[in-house]
Amino acid sequence: EVVLTQSPGTLSLSPGERATLSCRASQSVDNTHLAWYQQKPGQAPRLLIYGASSRATGIPDRFSGSGSGTDFTLSISGLEPEDFAVYYCQHYNNSPLTFGGGTKVEFK
Amino acid sequence: QVQLQESGPGLVKPSETLSLTCSVSGASITDYYWNWIRQPPGKGLEWIGFIHYSGNTMRNPSLASRVTMSVDTSKYQFSLKVHSVMAADTAVYYCARWGSGGGHNVNAFDMWGQGTTVTVS
Repeated sequence: EVVLTQSPGTLSLSPGERATLSCRASQSVDNTHLAWYQQKPGQAPRLLIYGASSRATGIPDRFSGSGSGTDFTLSISGLEPEDFAVYYCQHYNNSPLTFGGGTKVEFK
Repeated sequence: QVQLQESGPGLVKPSETLSLTCSVSGASITDYYWNWIRQPPGKGLEWIGFIHYSGNTMRNPSLASRVTMSVDTSKYQFSLKVHSVMAADTAVYYCARWGSGGGHNVNAFDMWGQGTTVTVS
């Protein structure tokens, strides 16, 4: 099973700042099989990034994904108030599909 | 507009069977893989498994012995059963579409239901 470790657990930032979230895999993951989701309280997760770097439909270009192998990054340039949420990475390299433990982006 | 909607009892007794259904609209149920994902209170996401209309299924090994999935193409629904439930099965259960299919090439969960809370008690 591929274990995804996200860091930091919590990121305290102000609107307008840049957020950099990390996702590290316990073994190499195919780039096409790494995704990022945003989840707000009481809501279902929303797909942001798939294939490590492709934005999903309707996702603003302040969200970007990068990385390969075992290290992946989600960046949010210029945080908007609606971006304060929990972010999860997820792989589909083999079964079982797994999610990282999440990074909470909170108001500083 | 693609919509997924979970339905089922919100309370299940220990040792009994949890049964949920996901109704699909706005997308062909035969073109995609359909998934169940759960989230215990205050915790992260756990993939339960997927089913395809062809009968192809895959389940998380951690739950495989207790999970059954099925699909009813005529009703545009797919279902989940978790047998012999325990308190640790208390969670919000989501149904979700794996976006690779029907001309799309999105290898991720691109559409989600709103989730339904199931309490085992």
